[in-house]
Amino acid sequence: GAVVSQHPSWVICKSGTSVKIECRSLDFQATTMFWYRQFPKQSLMLMATSNEGSKATYEQGVEKDKFLINHASLTLSTLTVTSAHPEDSSFYICSAREPPDWSSTDTQYFGPGTRLTVL
Amino acid sequence: AQSVSQHNHHVILSEAASLELGCNYSYGGTVNLFWYVQYPGQHLQLLLKYFSGDPLVKGIKGFEAEFIKSKFSFNLRKPSVQWSDTAEYFCAGGPGGGNKLTFGTGTQLKVEL
Repeated sequence: GAVVSQHPSWVICKSGTSVKIECRSLDFQATTMFWYRQFPKQSLMLMATSNEGSKATYEQGVEKDKFLINHASLTLSTLTVTSAHPEDSSFYICSAREPPDWSSTDTQYFGPGTRLTVL
Repeated sequence: AQSVSQHNHHVILSEAASLELGCNYSYGGTVNLFWYVQYPGQHLQLLLKYFSGDPLVKGIKGFEAEFIKSKFSFNLRKPSVQWSDTAEYFCAGGPGGGNKLTFGTGTQLKVEL
């Protein structure tokens, strides 16, 4: 089945620094990847849609200059949290959309998530 | 606005009990619906999905869900739960042919021995 990995699985950083999180589709090419944020005991909130070779599409309320997304290849998208602050501490999850075909249109496969703690 | 709602936030069952978790959606046109499961300490895994056709969808681990268009519902069911089904279950939906998924708030299921 489709496998998505994330790196790192957890990161602790100081306030004001930037953190990069990688999302990779391991056994398929993903033209579209998604970044979510999950707060404790809450659901996933879509932050942005990452499109290979073009700019990401951000959801309302998400600062694009703070959460930089780069989808440089068909298997890699990165999320950089710039000038991180304690309120950015959260669980960040990426997903990759398997290329549409007759049996798997629109199915997203999720990575294991990255726990970010900003001190 | 597109939305997905789950009414049961916490469910506690004994092993072998039957399970039904509610999910309602609001979309104007065709809709794709999913159930994902998140076991403790693990990532989201796809249980089952509905795109079109037979409204009764069977997924992995004995789960099934029924798409009832008139009720805007996509409830998850399992006739006999096991302790290993303890997890959080998320219903998600998106417009047919589209990209974005909207997630429900999740239901925490605890199965007791």
